[in-house]
Amino acid sequence: LAKTTQPISMDSYEGQEVNITCSHNNIATNDYITWYQQFPSQGPRFIIQGYKTKVTNEVASLFIPADRKSSTLSLPRVSLSDTAVYYCLVGAYSGNTPLVFGKGTRLSVIA
Amino acid sequence: GAVVSQHPSWVICKSGTSVKIECRSLDFQATTMFWYRQFPKQSLMLMATSNEGSKATYEQGVEKDKFLINHASLTLSTLTVTSAHPEDSSFYICSARARGLAGVTYEQYFGPGTRLTVT
Repeated sequence: LAKTTQPISMDSYEGQEVNITCSHNNIATNDYITWYQQFPSQGPRFIIQGYKTKVTNEVASLFIPADRKSSTLSLPRVSLSDTAVYYCLVGAYSGNTPLVFGKGTRLSVIA
Repeated sequence: GAVVSQHPSWVICKSGTSVKIECRSLDFQATTMFWYRQFPKQSLMLMATSNEGSKATYEQGVEKDKFLINHASLTLSTLTVTSAHPEDSSFYICSARARGLAGVTYEQYFGPGTRLTVT
């Protein structure tokens, strides 16, 4: 399983764009990159998933360079409710291979 | 979207008793379910992987006789913490992966978690 490295914590003011970068140097050809959000005392919530280039949905964008050794989750105009822990996960989804969580990035949004 | 439920959402039990936590996939069939444990301010730690109708595969360091996992159907998995002790107090989260065709990727859907407190 590819190991991921992301900043332990980040602070941001409301209304700003937040970019969280994740390093995954030993990503495999079949691996996808997925980001989850977790609030205290709740299960993780799927945010976005991608394989290469750029993926955008209603809540975030995911940028993946050509070598796929890193990825950046971009949250546009964050609000206080975006304060949470964000996990970057890398892996294939088939069969019994589970998602293995790293330490995640604790994002604090300040008014 | 796919929904995974857990019951109970929180439970308090006395030391030495057993507690059962249910995990259900509400609108899809889950061939594989995973159980995680999370201590305060820490990340999720995988405990075991279970497939419907077969024995669970436990991660290193997780006692299979203490954490009994049963995946009796494609929509239900249970985790029983036997002879619970205060150090078993934690947040337990289940996750389910949908049945899919070969070569098709499916995300893991997570339940809301169960807070276990052992007194």
